[in-house]
Amino acid sequence: SQKIEQNSEALNIQEGKTATLTCNYTNYSPAYLQWYRQDPGRGPVFLLLIRENEKEKRKERLKVTFDTTLKQSLFHITASQPADSATYLCAPSGKGGYNKLIFGAGTRLAVHP
Amino acid sequence: NAGVTQTPKFQVLKTGQSMTLQCAQDMNHEYMSWYRQDPGMGLRLIHYSVGAGITDQGEVPNGYNVSRSTTEDFPLRLLSAAPSQTSVYFCASSYGPRSYEQYFGPGTRLTVT
Repeated sequence: SQKIEQNSEALNIQEGKTATLTCNYTNYSPAYLQWYRQDPGRGPVFLLLIRENEKEKRKERLKVTFDTTLKQSLFHITASQPADSATYLCAPSGKGGYNKLIFGAGTRLAVHP
Repeated sequence: NAGVTQTPKFQVLKTGQSMTLQCAQDMNHEYMSWYRQDPGMGLRLIHYSVGAGITDQGEVPNGYNVSRSTTEDFPLRLLSAAPSQTSVYFCASSYGPRSYEQYFGPGTRLTVT
């Protein structure tokens, strides 16, 4: 069955450093991959979408890569700030089906001043 | 725009009781979904709809019913609540299928005793 793996351990980094979060998937060939941010007690908020024919996508301090050979996406936050502390979810989706996103369990990021 | 709204925010049920979680969106989105989120398991798709009058099952549909009589509303019904249905429930909507960002509601925290 399709499986999405994100590091379950929290990632602790110092303010100003680059945070890198990993999303690995197996038994799956997604055409798209989305990243969401979730704050405690709130619904996820969309950040970025990358397509299978795109190697990299950027939005302000955020960068996402998509390696279909490694079956992996990396999510980078440069010049991280304490306000970036949250849980980040990846969600691949395939070519078929209606809006069926499969979400990873998420990685919690804590940025310390 | 209010976006996606969900009511109630919190609910406690006794085993065997039934209830309806309400979800509404004012963005004229065709696609709507219900997810449940449990610790360490990520978001799991319960049911989804690709338009008024059309619904389908997701990954964990047992014990839940949905209907979509209007574009705006997508209620989720718990037929006979069980402790295993204790979870946080999120409704989401999107403009199109899997390549479009999803807009999530604030969630309903349900406890079944």
